[in-house]
Amino acid sequence: DGGITQSPKYLFRKEGQNVTLSCEQNLNHDAMYWYRQDPGQGLRLIYYSQIVNDFQKGDIAEGYSVSREKKESFPLTVTSAQKNPTAFYLCASTPDRGSSPLHFGNGTRLTVT
Amino acid sequence: AQSVSQHNHHVILSEAASLELGCNYSYGGTVNLFWYVQYPGQHLQLLLKYFSGDPLVKGIKGFEAEFIKSKFSFNLRKPSVQWSDTAEYFCAVNAPGNTGKLIFGQGTTLQVKP
Repeated sequence: DGGITQSPKYLFRKEGQNVTLSCEQNLNHDAMYWYRQDPGQGLRLIYYSQIVNDFQKGDIAEGYSVSREKKESFPLTVTSAQKNPTAFYLCASTPDRGSSPLHFGNGTRLTVT
Repeated sequence: AQSVSQHNHHVILSEAASLELGCNYSYGGTVNLFWYVQYPGQHLQLLLKYFSGDPLVKGIKGFEAEFIKSKFSFNLRKPSVQWSDTAEYFCAVNAPGNTGKLIFGQGTTLQVKP
């Protein structure tokens, strides 16, 4: 079955460490997104990518980095520069430039202590 | 700054009551509009979408939304809610120019009392 796989489901890190969240899709979608979901703040866009080897900053990109070396993969690195990294992170994809609904992964809950 | 605003953060209704959740966006030009729903413990899923044409769009589970261009609004409605509608609802907008930048509102938590 096609879908989006995010791993791991739960991730724990010490403050000051970088951590990479995985997102893989086998839907052959061109566009991929990273959002963070915090209570009362909805989904806030971190980064998005329309095609391989290209990506754009979202509204809260500071302290995060991404790569898009393969169509099916869009990993997100949470760096030590991110002031408040503990959150629920959602990866999504869509076949085109946002005119189709998003397909979401199950999410990764990152806790930094 | 460009944004999407949902006015109601937490709504509590009794079963059979009517529902209207507000959504306003600050973009000019042509936009694509969506409502997503997240039931407890589940993924976000699409309720309905508006791209063009009839500004009144119907979605799944009896939901509908009306696009009012002059008011930059895309309010979600349902004539009679059920307990199973208890969920969090998100409005989303695809920014002008079809850049693929999808922005979500803050979300509205709906609690329906049986």
